[in-house]
Amino acid sequence: GESVGLHLPTLSVQEGDNSIINCAYSNSASDYFIWYKQESGKGPQFIIDIRSNMDKRQGQRVTVLLNKTVKHLSLQIAATQPGDSAVYFCAEGVGTSYGKLTFGQGTILTVHP
Amino acid sequence: EAQVTQNPRYLITVTGKKLTVTCSQNMNHEYMSWYRQDPGLGLRQIYYSMNVEVTDKGDVPEGYKVSRKEKRNFPLILESPSPNQTSLYFCASSHPSYGLYEQYFGPGTRLTVT
Repeated sequence: GESVGLHLPTLSVQEGDNSIINCAYSNSASDYFIWYKQESGKGPQFIIDIRSNMDKRQGQRVTVLLNKTVKHLSLQIAATQPGDSAVYFCAEGVGTSYGKLTFGQGTILTVHP
Repeated sequence: EAQVTQNPRYLITVTGKKLTVTCSQNMNHEYMSWYRQDPGLGLRQIYYSMNVEVTDKGDVPEGYKVSRKEKRNFPLILESPSPNQTSLYFCASSHPSYGLYEQYFGPGTRLTVT
């Protein structure tokens, strides 16, 4: 597949472990935070989002935590599977009347069977 | 099948030769956007469109043009491509009423400008 992960942070876990991927954001005005997953050779895929008035949101096997005080976002994946291996991007947006979206650099997650 | 399609998927061209990358979605989404992806830089937004005839600049609009004459199509135009526009391009769409940021991405267009 195409290389999009030059010098990206990496996380390597064993199948069945829980994974935590971290992200720092920069814009204090951002009020939406989103996680995307990108598998090799594919376009990004939406995982979950959270509004700034929330601290935590859960989805299927995923939890996003937001700490606005330190501008930090994390994605927790429970019982990580080999199919979770991908590059994970956090992104931030302002409101829903605009469409500007800013992505972080990404983290490479590798899950070993 | 609900999808975002891009054409071409791969393109090699020369500096200065105008080109258009097409993007089409069949989900009746109001919002569409173009991104470029470069190693180590993540995805950077080029232009976005909240609806027909409404477009706005993202973070890296220089050297690109877009138009939104119909809801389903959002072509990306490079009037005079340069080597620094060699990149992987993604188009995305979403339905703002249900989730502006729940964007559906196309498969990507790999552009090389020599």
